[in-house]
Amino acid sequence: QVQLQESGPGLVKPSGTLSLTCAVCGGSITSDNWWSWVRQSPGKGLEWIGEVHRSGTTNYNPSLKSRVTISMDNSKNQFSLNLRSVTAADTALYYCAFAISGQRYFDCWGQGTLVSVSS
Amino acid sequence: DIQMTQSPSSLSASKGDRVTITCQASQDIDNYLNWYQVKPGKAPKLLIYGAFTLQTGVPSRFSGSRSGTDFTFTISSLQPEDIATYYCQQYAHSPPYTFGQGTKLELK
Repeated sequence: QVQLQESGPGLVKPSGTLSLTCAVCGGSITSDNWWSWVRQSPGKGLEWIGEVHRSGTTNYNPSLKSRVTISMDNSKNQFSLNLRSVTAADTALYYCAFAISGQRYFDCWGQGTLVSVSS
Repeated sequence: DIQMTQSPSSLSASKGDRVTITCQASQDIDNYLNWYQVKPGKAPKLLIYGAFTLQTGVPSRFSGSRSGTDFTFTISSLQPEDIATYYCQQYAHSPPYTFGQGTKLELK
């Protein structure tokens, strides 16, 4: 059973870069899965941020595309999110999740990590 | 992008009640509609995928249905452990994979 665990700073300054990591336990990051980031802003719903595949292919939400990079680190069995030029609107609970390639749903999620953007 | 309109935004019901949540897609998404349960401090949980299929281990009181671009999520007999926020999600076409606005379910 694959388990995901998010980690990273809980506080980021405005205009800075939000960097989070998702550790994959009980499975391999090189499996044929799409590894995603999803966020939930206070009082709002879920927003898909983007995904990465072992092939190197990435897809991003157009609303965030200019500021987002999602990458994989095979040696550490983890994947990461970088969100640049953050504002208070980026304050959210950030989840990592994955979908097995060919299956159109998120089969497994992390518990989430709260990131606040504030000076 | 495909928009998902979910209603109601909140719902109060008693134990044993039948609860229904709806989600409307802005265009045809076939059966590529999923339902998730989100509780504070816990990982979101997939309940139903492909509009109808119950994820392994999910109680049979949960069900999903479809009529065109309208999707329905039903809890046949509400239990206290079902108190959560529920989201629909489309995973039909190319990204982005969009979610409904969520339904916060409370116990009356």
